[in-house]
Amino acid sequence: DTGVSQDPRHKITKRGQNVTFRCDPISEHNRLYWYRQTLGQGPEFLTYFQNEAQLEKSRLLSDRFSAERPKGSFSTLEIQRTEQGDSAMYLCASSLAKYEQYFGPGTRLTVT
Amino acid sequence: AQRVTQPEKLLSVFKGAPVELKCNYSYSGSPELFWYVQYSRQRLQLLLRHISRESIKGFTADLNKGETSFHLKKPFAQEEDSAMYYCALSSGGSNYKLTFGKGTLLTVNP
Repeated sequence: DTGVSQDPRHKITKRGQNVTFRCDPISEHNRLYWYRQTLGQGPEFLTYFQNEAQLEKSRLLSDRFSAERPKGSFSTLEIQRTEQGDSAMYLCASSLAKYEQYFGPGTRLTVT
Repeated sequence: AQRVTQPEKLLSVFKGAPVELKCNYSYSGSPELFWYVQYSRQRLQLLLRHISRESIKGFTADLNKGETSFHLKKPFAQEEDSAMYYCALSSGGSNYKLTFGKGTLLTVNP
């Protein structure tokens, strides 16, 4: 399967712990997006990269969140000092410029 | 600010009946509109986008700028159409980020 992959698929953590998620986009895609989806809501934009440059961050992305895309390939999203409100599905998508965004399966985070 | 509204959380129809999933948007510029679908235990995938004017799996959607709507329609629903449908808007520019509605869960009964 050459689609977008995300790891892990599920993560349970205790409040206050740090977590890191990984996204591997489709290999030739230069754009990578992170979204967050909570129960009953559609996905909400968090941040996006064009190649290795992070070009926009949503106000949803507090100082506890950081994202990287070294070398313009895979990306990581780290949440420090997790809070119960961080519990959500974290989705990654990739695309070529203005074309269709392809989504990964998501990482479901549960903060206890 | 851009916003997408899907007024129906749930929609239930019988097989063979017409279906219309409503989507209204708020955006001052020229948006690009999409419908994404998520079947049970599958990832989110693009169903159609307004600029391509395609019919995918029998679904069509027309952008009505006067009414700021992008409703999704299918004349004869099939059981396999049961899924969560999300309307999304891209403001274009340079980042093409998507703003999604809350989604409508369509159930097609036999």
